[in-house]
Amino acid sequence: DTEVTQTPKHLVMGMTNKKSLKCEQHMGHRAMYWYKQKAKKPPELMFVYSYEKLSINESVPSRFSPECPNSSLLNLHLHALQPEDSALYLCASSRGTGDNYEQYFGPGTRLTVT
Amino acid sequence: DAKTTQPNSMESNEEEPVHLPCNHSTISGTDYIHWYRQLPSQGPEYVIHGLTSNVNNRMASLAIAEDRKSSTLILHRATLRDAAVYYCILRGGFGNTGKLIFGQGTTLQVKP
Repeated sequence: DTEVTQTPKHLVMGMTNKKSLKCEQHMGHRAMYWYKQKAKKPPELMFVYSYEKLSINESVPSRFSPECPNSSLLNLHLHALQPEDSALYLCASSRGTGDNYEQYFGPGTRLTVT
Repeated sequence: DAKTTQPNSMESNEEEPVHLPCNHSTISGTDYIHWYRQLPSQGPEYVIHGLTSNVNNRMASLAIAEDRKSSTLILHRATLRDAAVYYCILRGGFGNTGKLIFGQGTTLQVKP
């Protein structure tokens, strides 16, 4: 099973709402990632978790709060977002953070902030 | 971090081979060359990676120049399903941190 699942597929939220995105993998991978992709642009790395600890935060605003409750799950908590945060949010996982490891991506959550 | 240069777009005909080029003239000795693709409305998909030698897998082949300053992703027989954005990415500049930095990629169109 090389699948990374993400829920929900689509999310519409107001600027005052709090919502969460969920990502799950059962490949035994110990590294998990959040990416953001705007329309017609390449994905941009947001966060890296290694062995359930946050190892990289690419200067992401605090209205995005990641959480890794266990080795299979990765959440992204959203609060007080802006319309420019509307994008496709992608989760990925890999065996580790080594440069020789490939990353497996989920289908993404398409977020619209109104 | 070493950068890659890819053509913005390429076209191919269905059932013909496709050679997607990537230039990386500032590659360092420890940089791996990774290729990912992203089909419309999907997340990126790993294709292949290599360090020095040519690599083959069920999806594609990766040909790496002897001086490693360029590489070519080879799809042996293009299908309509291969229409996607193909990203050539160097990994090594961030020291095994997991960082995967996407460039603009090459948009491949496959004509029936």
